[in-house]
Amino acid sequence: AQSVTQLGSHVSVSEGALVLLRCNYSSSVPPYLFWYVQYPNQGLQLLLKYTTGATLVKGINGFEAEFKKSETSFHLTKPSAHMSDAAEYFCAVKVSQFYFGTGTSLTVIP
Amino acid sequence: SQTIHQWPATLVQPVGSPLSLECTVEGTSNPNLYWYRQAAGRGLQLLFYSVGIGQISSEVPQNLSASRPQDRQFILSSKKLLLSDSGFYLCAWSGDRGSYEQYFGPGTRLTVT
Repeated sequence: AQSVTQLGSHVSVSEGALVLLRCNYSSSVPPYLFWYVQYPNQGLQLLLKYTTGATLVKGINGFEAEFKKSETSFHLTKPSAHMSDAAEYFCAVKVSQFYFGTGTSLTVIP
Repeated sequence: SQTIHQWPATLVQPVGSPLSLECTVEGTSNPNLYWYRQAAGRGLQLLFYSVGIGQISSEVPQNLSASRPQDRQFILSSKKLLLSDSGFYLCAWSGDRGSYEQYFGPGTRLTVT
């Protein structure tokens, strides 16, 4: 069975600090992996995706994620947090269908 | 480019009243379409998905239904709303082949009173 686990439903970082949001998945076949961001009362916006090829993928707003097959992980990082990064972040896996994690709420402290 | 619309943006309805939420996609053909619900402070729950006109798959049994009368139109309905139907409803689309990601609409905030 496929599943997505996001460790930490709430993460707080100081402005300018490293952002690390964790995502682990389970899949019996090579998955496609995604990170989405959701601002309050808005839809989800695609940040980045991994399908095939280079395992380090870069997305919008300075975010990047690395697919590590051996660790079944796809953690999201950003070197320096901005106040505007405060939002809900969702990891997703697509095998035959989409599976979303439960989300991580990121707070940026000024 | 493709765009996805949802309306209304917000809705307040009394318990027992009917519901109709609409989603339309522009700039693509034969999309896969999805309805999700997001309860306060929780993740996404897939309600329905459709791979073509008149083809609806239900993921969660409840008092909601979905229809796809046209290729790029997806409607979420209820005959009688329950308090538990309150939430943020999101429509999404994905390509029918070669494309993997889902694209989301702006959502509808439904409050059942």
